[in-house]
Amino acid sequence: EIVLTQSPATLSVSPGERATLSCRSSHSFSSNLAWYQQKPGQAPRLLIYGASTRATGIPARFSGSGSGTEFTLTISSLQSEDIAVYYCQQYDNWPPITFGQGTRLDFK
Amino acid sequence: EVQLVGSGGGLVQPGRSLRLSCTTSGFTFGDYAMSWVRQTPGKGLEWVGFIRNKAYGGTSEYAASVKDRFTISRDESKSIAYLQMNSLKTEDTGVYYCIGSLDILILQHWGQGILVTVSS
Repeated sequence: EIVLTQSPATLSVSPGERATLSCRSSHSFSSNLAWYQQKPGQAPRLLIYGASTRATGIPARFSGSGSGTEFTLTISSLQSEDIAVYYCQQYDNWPPITFGQGTRLDFK
Repeated sequence: EVQLVGSGGGLVQPGRSLRLSCTTSGFTFGDYAMSWVRQTPGKGLEWVGFIRNKAYGGTSEYAASVKDRFTISRDESKSIAYLQMNSLKTEDTGVYYCIGSLDILILQHWGQGILVTVSS
């Protein structure tokens, strides 16, 4: 089973500043990684798949990168509506599909 | 508009059964794979399983923690997916999400979540 470790657990960023979230994998793989955003009381929402492809309707300030064991989600200019918990998910080696434990993003 | 509406949750005793339903609209159900993911305070997001669409045989896969206890099915005529949960354990407590996806491994459209509490 592939274990995903996200860091930091909590990230505080000033409005308009860049946020960089990390997802590290226990096994190397190319690009079968997705990112999800979850706001309080809501279901997760797909942001990125294939490590770097934005899902339909996702703003361009969200970008994904990485391969191997290191993946990154970047929000170029943090907006109030971006305050949420972010999860990475691998679908390279399954079953099972696995998730990271999440990074909570809030305003500094 | 894509909608997935979950129902059937509640409080159930350990060892009993419960069936969750996911009623969908706004997309061609037959083209989509249907997945279930649960969220618990202890384990975070945990994949439960999925069922492929008919074009891919309508077969299903499960997480080891629920295999042989949970069954996913789908009713094409009603555009509903089901999660039958038997022999429930306290550790099955959580919020269950149904997801519809064109690519079964990329969790595209999520329902609102169904709370299941297993307790005596």
